[in-house]
Amino acid sequence: DIQLTQSPSFLSASVGDRISITCRASQGISSYLAWYQQKPGKAPKLLIYATSTLQSGVPSRFSGSGSGTEFTLTISSLQPEDFATYYCQQVKSYPLTFGQGTKVEIK
Amino acid sequence: EVQLVESGGGLVQPGGSLRLSCAASGFTFSDYYMDWVRQAPGKGLEWVGRSRNKAKSYTTEYAASVKGRFTISRDDSENSLYLQLNSLRTEDTAVYYCVRGLPWVGGYYFDYWGQGTLVTVSS
Repeated sequence: DIQLTQSPSFLSASVGDRISITCRASQGISSYLAWYQQKPGKAPKLLIYATSTLQSGVPSRFSGSGSGTEFTLTISSLQPEDFATYYCQQVKSYPLTFGQGTKVEIK
Repeated sequence: EVQLVESGGGLVQPGGSLRLSCAASGFTFSDYYMDWVRQAPGKGLEWVGRSRNKAKSYTTEYAASVKGRFTISRDDSENSLYLQLNSLRTEDTAVYYCVRGLPWVGGYYFDYWGQGTLVTVSS
């Protein structure tokens, strides 16, 4: 199975900050990576797929990069509605797997 | 508007069974791969399994943790996806989400999610 490790697991930041979350895969997954945002009590929401393709309706302050085994989600200017938990996911091979999550909280 | 609405969750004893349903609308259900993802209370996301579409003969894939106990099926005439849960264990306690697979360059990404249905396995 492909393991995904996110860092950090917890991030405290202020509105307006630029933040980055890293997702490392235990083996190469080409560009088969997605990022999801989840708020408490809600279903996850697709932000980015195929490493860097922004899902329709997602603000342009979100961006994704990487390939192979290391990937990054960047929020260029954190907004109040961005405080949430973020998960990466690989769709390269079965079983599909998620990272453990990164919780972004208000400093 | 795409909608996925799960139902069928509840409290069940260890060793028991449950059948979850997902009613889909707003898109051509038969064209899409559909998956189940679960989330234990306070924990992360875990992929449960997949139903491919008619073009791929409705074949399925499962996570090792549920293989042989859970079965995914679908009824394209009813625009519905199902998850049969048998031999339930306490560790199967979770919110179960029905998700649609967005095809993109060889991968399938989860672009729409239902609201989830809670399954609690406890004596």
